[in-house]
Amino acid sequence: DIQMTQSPSSLAASVGDRVTITCRASQSISGYLNWYQQKPGKAPKLLIYAASRLQSGVPSTFSGSGSGTDFTLTISSLQAEDFATYYCQQSFNTPYTFGQGTKVEIK
Amino acid sequence: QVQLVESGGGLVKPGGPLRLSCAASGFTFSDYYMTWIRQAPGAGLEWVSYISGSGSTMAYADSVKGRFTISRDNAKNSLYLQMNSLRAEDTAVYYCARMTIYYFYMDVWGKGTTVTVSS
Repeated sequence: DIQMTQSPSSLAASVGDRVTITCRASQSISGYLNWYQQKPGKAPKLLIYAASRLQSGVPSTFSGSGSGTDFTLTISSLQAEDFATYYCQQSFNTPYTFGQGTKVEIK
Repeated sequence: QVQLVESGGGLVKPGGPLRLSCAASGFTFSDYYMTWIRQAPGAGLEWVSYISGSGSTMAYADSVKGRFTISRDNAKNSLYLQMNSLRAEDTAVYYCARMTIYYFYMDVWGKGTTVTVSS
C-alpha cells in the first residue's frame, strides 16, 4: 500500500497568513494527488485534484503543486472559514490512501 | 442539484449484518464510479470500496474484503454497501462519494451515516 504522510499534523495561524501543508507519498504517484477540506461534523470537500487543478467553486487562495512523491497545498491568505482539517489522498492505485490530516487552528 | 444521501446506519452487534444505501440525484448516475469512505471516531479518512458505473468492476480495502459487498442499481440511482461479520473496528461514519475516472478523485460527498458496532 502507498503510505501518505502529511506535515505538520497541526498548525496555528492567523487570518491573512500564508499556510503551506506538505504531503509525501511512499512511492511515486505521478500527479494522482487530491486535497480535501473537512470541518467538524461535516463531510470532506474536494479542493484540489490532479495535484494542482482547482475544483470549481473553490477560492483561488487555494493552490496545489508537486508531482512524484512530494506535494504541497498552499493557502495564500487564510480566511476565517478556512480553519479546518485538510487531507491529501492518492488515487494512483488501490487501496486509495489518505494522509493523517493537518488541523489548521486559529492562533 | 447534485446530491448524495446515505441511510441505513445504526447500532449493530458484533458479527451482525447491516446494509447501507446511498441515493443519488442531479446527475447521470450510471456515468460515474461510486465509492464508500469511512471515518472512525476522532480518526482520519479510510477508503472502503468502489464500483464502476456499469457495476462490473469493484475494489475493496483489505480490512473489509470478504465481509463487505458494494453494489448499485442504476435504475434506482442507488448505491449499496452490504456489511457482514461486523467488528467493533468498523464503527465509523460512512460516506458515499462520486468518483471521476479522470484521476479518480471524489468530487461529491454525502453527509454520511453512522454505524456503531457494539454489544
